[in-house]
Amino acid sequence: GAGVSQSPRYKVAKRGQDVALRCDPISGHVSLFWYQQALGQGPEFLTYFQNEAQLDKSGLPSDRFFAERPEGSVSTLKIQRTQQEDSAVYLCASRGERGGFLNNEQFFGPGTRLTVL
Amino acid sequence: SQQGEEDPQALSIQEGENATMNCSYKTSINNLQWYRQNSGRGLVHLILIRSNEREKHSGRLRVTLDTSKKSSSLLITASRAADTASYFCATEGASNTGKLIFGQGTTLQVKP
Repeated sequence: GAGVSQSPRYKVAKRGQDVALRCDPISGHVSLFWYQQALGQGPEFLTYFQNEAQLDKSGLPSDRFFAERPEGSVSTLKIQRTQQEDSAVYLCASRGERGGFLNNEQFFGPGTRLTVL
Repeated sequence: SQQGEEDPQALSIQEGENATMNCSYKTSINNLQWYRQNSGRGLVHLILIRSNEREKHSGRLRVTLDTSKKSSSLLITASRAADTASYFCATEGASNTGKLIFGQGTTLQVKP
């Protein structure tokens, strides 16, 4: 597709369940980012991949959060033993290269709205 | 934690008027970007201004950057009802990894 896609768009989980959120970046984009957006707030950085390498995971709130991008394209954000405070929109973004340099513009997906009951 | 502070938090204007949103940040940056988010949708990149630039234009958008005050403003001229959305500033640090630090956003309502 032409843009970044995410699935599912909506996820309702019971507290304690594990969830997996998928991101399909724009084909060929080197960099992939995950952000968490609480209601009424701006997005907050979670983690960053360059190809398959996770170069920054400083924003992951706890060790219940895990992200992977094994083949350098699709990425999965996994949250184990979900808690109510994990309820948020999870946004994925990708960016490519232009002229051999990383482009600064990030392209965002529509997000996955996670509700933990 | 978020770096950017935006004001106002909410802004309501009539179609045709100009809208100005301000953003302040705390640390050194490589660039500052503005994004728009319509209700329930993802973020759309609007404009980027580099740390060595002071002003940039794109259509009805004008962005200024004052690195000495660590602040930026976004001006939307001749607003339209379709401009109704939330607007976020985001800074990319000097390390240029792509990690964006977002402000809390300004919610703009343009009344027809």
